[in-house]
Amino acid sequence: GQNIDQPTEMTATEGAIVQINCTYQTSGFNGLFWYQQHAGEAPTFLSYNVLDGLEEKGRFSSFLSRSKGYSYLLLKELQMKDSASYLCAVMDSNYQLIWGAGTKLIIKP
Amino acid sequence: GAVVSQHPSWVICKSGTSVKIECRSLDFQATTMFWYRQFPKQSLMLMATSNEGSKATYEQGVEKDKFLINHASLTLSTLTVTSAHPEDSSFYICSAREGQSHYEQYFGPGTRLTVT
Repeated sequence: GQNIDQPTEMTATEGAIVQINCTYQTSGFNGLFWYQQHAGEAPTFLSYNVLDGLEEKGRFSSFLSRSKGYSYLLLKELQMKDSASYLCAVMDSNYQLIWGAGTKLIIKP
Repeated sequence: GAVVSQHPSWVICKSGTSVKIECRSLDFQATTMFWYRQFPKQSLMLMATSNEGSKATYEQGVEKDKFLINHASLTLSTLTVTSAHPEDSSFYICSAREGQSHYEQYFGPGTRLTVT
């Protein structure tokens, strides 16, 4: 079966760094996505990785290792507005997105 | 960037009535649209995938006669919740993709449905 695993909840301090991990087992792989979702709102796109390595975009970076079925989202210089759920999703061989349950990130002052 | 709109953003209806939700791609042609449902504190659940001009493909456990999906044009898909019941109350989100080779799905803002 297809499976995406990520922690349910994480807590971090304003100004710090946090890493949210995601492991996956899917039928085929056409890329891994990270989305941010604030409560009551639709998800917004953060990053896309299809090749191994680190993609940096401002305060957010995303890493992929296809051989390990592993990705992480790294958030630096945390701000209170970063409090949200972070969703990991993998596009399988049918170009369908398989979603993780999301990681709720709580930022404390 | 690509924009997807949904209408209405929220709706309250009585049990037994039907509700139609529209999803539009505003500045691109959406060959594929997806309908998701999200219950509080849970992740997105894909309900169905629709390609323009063909019947939608429903996920296991989703009743196609209850959740009617129409994707009549490259910019519009509709989801009709028929004979709604309180357990259908949820956050319904659509997303659209420009083509198979275009990887990103663009999400609409969502529609919150409350059935009383």
